[in-house]
Amino acid sequence: SAVISQKPSRDICQRGTSLTIQCQVDSQVTMMFWYRQQPGQSLTLIATANQGSEATYESGFVIDKFPISRPNLTFSTLTVSNMSPEDSSIYLCSVGQRIEAFFGQGTRLTVV
Amino acid sequence: GQQVMQIPQYQHVQEGEDFTTYCNSSTTLSNIQWYKQRPGGHPVFLIQLVKSGEVKKQKRLTFQFGEAKKNSSLHITATQTTDVGTYFCAGPGFGNEKLTFGTGTRLTIIP
Repeated sequence: SAVISQKPSRDICQRGTSLTIQCQVDSQVTMMFWYRQQPGQSLTLIATANQGSEATYESGFVIDKFPISRPNLTFSTLTVSNMSPEDSSIYLCSVGQRIEAFFGQGTRLTVV
Repeated sequence: GQQVMQIPQYQHVQEGEDFTTYCNSSTTLSNIQWYKQRPGGHPVFLIQLVKSGEVKKQKRLTFQFGEAKKNSSLHITATQTTDVGTYFCAGPGFGNEKLTFGTGTRLTIIP
């Protein structure tokens, strides 16, 4: 199993600003995954973060908007840049996809 | 790309009634996983099915994986108020670590 500490748990931000979300895992993992969950919707994968290489982004998501860092095997950050109200969502980090995925508590972002 | 659909989108049941959600993938899955997300919470793993035609039970929950490994179902017998939440299926494609989540079924219970 894995325990993921994600912060902040929620934030209200002004449009045009950026927010960095942090995830700390209690064990070393090769891949970390970042998801977005819009209100009442399913989870959509933003990108996969590997230590020592650039993140791999899914269709519809770009590095300039969602830069990701992965400095070591237990930590990753996702930045939501130049925010607009459409970015209001829950953002979740996750590890361990193949057998059982573990999730952070999520960051509930509201952009005003 | 891979798409995973679930029906129904919403289900309201009286406490004690049964509930079923169905999951269909556009591609063959190496395995199927089920998650439950309580209101305001994050998804929590319930179970993984790997074999074609596999059936697993957890107390009142019964999970099935289709013969073609493209569909699955979750059945809850005699629902309780603690069953409230959204149920997601999710599956990685073959040779793919990434999970694609289904559209989800939101279950509400009428006491």
